[in-house]
Amino acid sequence: SQKIEQNSEALNIQEGKTATLTCNYTNYSPAYLQWYRQDPGRGPVFLLLIRENEKEKRKERLKVTFDTTLKQSLFHITASQPADSATYLCALGAVGGSYIPTFGRGTSLIVHP
Amino acid sequence: GAGVSQSPRYKVTKRGQDVTLRCDPISSHATLYWYQQALGQGPEFLTYFNYEAQPDKSGLPSDRFSAERPEGSISTLTIQRTEQRDSAMYRCASSKDSGETQYFGPGTRLLVL
Repeated sequence: SQKIEQNSEALNIQEGKTATLTCNYTNYSPAYLQWYRQDPGRGPVFLLLIRENEKEKRKERLKVTFDTTLKQSLFHITASQPADSATYLCALGAVGGSYIPTFGRGTSLIVHP
Repeated sequence: GAGVSQSPRYKVTKRGQDVTLRCDPISSHATLYWYQQALGQGPEFLTYFNYEAQPDKSGLPSDRFSAERPEGSISTLTIQRTEQRDSAMYRCASSKDSGETQYFGPGTRLLVL
């Protein structure tokens, strides 16, 4: 069956360090993968999209990698700040699925000052 | 509009009652999505529209759930004969086209007593 897996345990890191979050998938032929940020009580906010033929995307302190052989995306936040604390969701759009993204459950990131 | 809006923000109803949730997408966006999000989980796809067409309603949990977008802009999600298990956050999102970046509304929290 198709699965998108994100670590259910919260990631705790110290301010200034690089946070790395993982998104693994099985039984998908991905067209693209997106990362969203969600704060408590709010809707998800789009951060980055990476297409299946791209290896890496960057935006300011954010970097996403996409390895279709490992079936994995990594999401990095460099020089993390307490304001980066939130839940981060990956969403995968598959070929043949009308490109509607399917979301993972998200991983909570807590950046300690 | 400037963003996606949803109403009501909170709805408490008794089991067996019908409820209708409303979504007002970004005005230039062709595609509108409905999701159900349980606490600690990612959004789960219910259905989507391209303008007024509804190509996929495979995520609707039962025939008690229906959605409309008659003029290709505002959409409603109706749950008939509500059950306690329908209690959740219902999120609407819109995008310029399917597979593009989604912009989420604030959600409607439904509680069925």
